[in-house]
Amino acid sequence: TQLLEQSPQFLSIQEGENLTVYCNSSSVFSSLQWYRQEPGEGPVLLVTVVTGGEVKKLKRLTFQFGDARKDSSLHITAAQPGDTGLYLCAGAESGGSYIPTFGRGTSLIVHP
Amino acid sequence: EAGVVQSPRYKIIEKKQPVAFWCNPISGHNTLYWYRQNLGQGPELLIRYENEEAVDDSQLPKDRFSAERLKGVDSTLKIQPAELGDSAVYLCASSLLRRETQYFGPGTRLLVL
Repeated sequence: TQLLEQSPQFLSIQEGENLTVYCNSSSVFSSLQWYRQEPGEGPVLLVTVVTGGEVKKLKRLTFQFGDARKDSSLHITAAQPGDTGLYLCAGAESGGSYIPTFGRGTSLIVHP
Repeated sequence: EAGVVQSPRYKIIEKKQPVAFWCNPISGHNTLYWYRQNLGQGPELLIRYENEEAVDDSQLPKDRFSAERLKGVDSTLKIQPAELGDSAVYLCASSLLRRETQYFGPGTRLLVL
């Protein structure tokens, strides 16, 4: 059983469309990170959310941390082909020894 | 500033052979992580180092996997003997301190035949 469940697993959309990716858990996290991983490369950190209810924006990407710090979402507005990649959420359980756990990721393809 | 360096980038070996991966973290980063990423999965932590001390190694299959970080700088992960199921991408990451942002290397893609 995955500690962090990501959905959808795959997403194939046209350029200009909007999309939302979800990261859910039954555990409470002290912080949660979103990464993007391109083929042949390691994950690159996009954002870290710490406070319940927190919303962070990074250009066309909007990240939200759930009020209870158990879930998060990533919304992309007007997707572009350059957004193509594997989006991973990762976090460490609150009160734990900070062993980072990753979800399985959402594989996004944006067609021109 | 150079990022996390890993070598080799690709490795193909036959089962039962040994293999080693090398990682040089970002200069000054005390914490080093080794992850394994299977196809279609997120990275799974194998071991974390705080300087030269290995911590959080509960997911490391110790019967065949070993790791070292001599002098608290670069690190080596070894598999001996390799099995078919070890085929994966092995990622190294480093951070200034525990709980700080992790920076990942490009990974070593291992194929065991």
